[in-house]
Amino acid sequence: AQSVTQLDSQVPVFEEAPVELRCNYSSSVSVYLFWYVQYPNQGLQLLLKYLSGSTLVESINGFEAEFNKSQTSFHLRKPSVHISDTAEYFCAVSSYNFNKFYFGSGTKLNVKP
Amino acid sequence: DAMVIQNPRYQVTQFGKPVTLSCSQTLNHNVMYWYQQKSSQAPKLLFHYYDKDFNNEADTPDNFQSRRPNTSFCFLDIRSPGLGDAAMYLCATSRGGGGGGEKLFFGSGTQLSVL
Repeated sequence: AQSVTQLDSQVPVFEEAPVELRCNYSSSVSVYLFWYVQYPNQGLQLLLKYLSGSTLVESINGFEAEFNKSQTSFHLRKPSVHISDTAEYFCAVSSYNFNKFYFGSGTKLNVKP
Repeated sequence: DAMVIQNPRYQVTQFGKPVTLSCSQTLNHNVMYWYQQKSSQAPKLLFHYYDKDFNNEADTPDNFQSRRPNTSFCFLDIRSPGLGDAAMYLCATSRGGGGGGEKLFFGSGTQLSVL
């Protein structure tokens, strides 16, 4: 079985500052890793995912995440946040052959002007 | 636009009174999931369907049942809701065939209150 830990429930940050949202996972098998974002009153949407290859993956809106197998982490970063990035971010894990996805408890990113 | 639709957005039921939540999809995806999300907690996978094959999580209470009469619709039935079942219920779909690497498509959720 897999599990995901997001230690930070809330992260306040000022606009244009850098941010890192932490995600650690536990699994006895090889995994795929995901970040989903949930804007107010909307469903979760895929932000980025790691399946294989380069350990650094990027989204179209400037977020990036790096898969670190030795530290079992998949932290999400952005060098300069915008007000519009205010949302809740969920880290998720799945295993290769199974259509099951397990989520962390989420981190609320609050970008202040 | 193709999407995952959950109705209603808010559902209020009474303690012990059966309730059904619905989910429909226009994506023609093979896999449909139900997650339970309580405040400040991780979405918890209850069960999923791969086509007509039902897959229950080991720790999903018997009080929770699901039906998938066709590709487009999936229902979550709570036979005797307790106060602890008050939560946001999320429906999601995936295309299927790609194993664990697929993208999930979520509905906006149904917020269930139990009085």
